[in-house]
Amino acid sequence: EPEVTQTPSHQVTQMGQEVILRCVPISNHLYFYWYRQILGQKVEFLVSFYNNEISEKSEIFDDQFSVERPDGSNFTLKIRSTKLEDSAMYFCASSGSRVGNTQYFGPGTRLTVL
Amino acid sequence: TQLLEQSPQFLSIQEGENLTVYCNSSSVFSSLQWYRQEPGEGPVLLVTVVTGGEVKKLKRLTFQFGDARKDSSLHITAAQPGDTGLYLCAGGYGGSQGNLIFGKGTKLSVKP
Repeated sequence: EPEVTQTPSHQVTQMGQEVILRCVPISNHLYFYWYRQILGQKVEFLVSFYNNEISEKSEIFDDQFSVERPDGSNFTLKIRSTKLEDSAMYFCASSGSRVGNTQYFGPGTRLTVL
Repeated sequence: TQLLEQSPQFLSIQEGENLTVYCNSSSVFSSLQWYRQEPGEGPVLLVTVVTGGEVKKLKRLTFQFGDARKDSSLHITAAQPGDTGLYLCAGGYGGSQGNLIFGKGTKLSVKP
């Protein structure tokens, strides 16, 4: 069964460093998302991406964040200058259609900022 | 602020018991999804409901979307230890708003 994959599974970085989190969405999906989950809290929406551009973003997704689909398979989230409060699980999701908006999530990348 | 309230927050039952968990909002959603999440892993989709009053069954799990599309319930019959986990509901608005709004989840523990 097709699935969303994410790499790395765990990323440890120093505060102020840049990180890139990578995702391979399900191959025939057109809508891509990033969410994050701080330990013990609920899953929060960051950004949605369609047709090579951001379609929606939350207040969390400020200027230090960016997303890119560099080729036909990868979808990346870049955090330019990490802060301690960026430590969280980051989930990529993809959807094949807006109808029903069923989103399939990857296993996540645990980001630890020291 | 759009909110999805899930109840109960925690539920501990014995194997074989039935249970129902709830997901409520003041907002109308175009779709509602239920996920199960294990510690340190991503949410795994269980079901999507889109029509008010819709009922879907997945083996021992029964999902219902409220008539007004503001609430949903998950009923588990004859719970098993393998059902232990965090159950999340997530509402979608569809259209140009593609993001999901998640509840905090119900943490279920089924003891043998």
